[in-house]
Amino acid sequence: DAKTTQPPSMDCAEGRAANLPCNHSTISGNEYVYWYRQIHSQGPQYIIHGLKNNETNEMASLIITEDRKSSTLILPHATLRDTAVYYCIAVMTHGSSNTGKLIFGQGTTLQVKP
Amino acid sequence: IAGITQAPTSQILAAGRRMTLRCTQDMRHNAMYWYRQDLGLGLRLIHYSNTAGTTGKGEVPDGYSVSRANTDDFPLTLASAVPSQTSVYFCASKKTGGAEAFFGQGTRLTVV
Repeated sequence: DAKTTQPPSMDCAEGRAANLPCNHSTISGNEYVYWYRQIHSQGPQYIIHGLKNNETNEMASLIITEDRKSSTLILPHATLRDTAVYYCIAVMTHGSSNTGKLIFGQGTTLQVKP
Repeated sequence: IAGITQAPTSQILAAGRRMTLRCTQDMRHNAMYWYRQDLGLGLRLIHYSNTAGTTGKGEVPDGYSVSRANTDDFPLTLASAVPSQTSVYFCASKKTGGAEAFFGQGTRLTVV
């Protein structure tokens, strides 16, 4: 699975957009980019995923560069409840025993401040 | 309510004892996973199962074993617990080909 690199921490003002970057320069053609978050001591929660097109759902938007070497998760209007650790993961979709496995890195700790 | 359940929620265990952490899901997901999370660190994959009857090793499998006799259950066993296995353990399940993995609430294990 491709290794991802994220900044260890970020701050964001409440109500502003939070833009969380992720580098995945060695991603292969059959690996999706997934984002999860973990609030305090809870289990991780799925946010969004994509292959090469930008994606949007009720929680966030995912922007993937054309060369697929990096992506950005956007929380359009961050709230205090969005304070969490955000994980960017490259997940193989098919073709090996690693298919579907979620290998978490260190993630980015996002602190939303009032 | 459909979901994934772990038991126990927390446990204090004497070193050298055997312990099985239970994980049950009722979503008929084929894939199941066990992770450990240590203070200040991300989640590390211990073992996984892509379907009933099969299991595989993750990043940190030593000292742990799993079985997958049926779709719903994926127990994690520590044959002889050591203090370094003190951690929070998360179980997860995912539909094959599906996007979202569902995580349990975690089991906080302290080995003394």
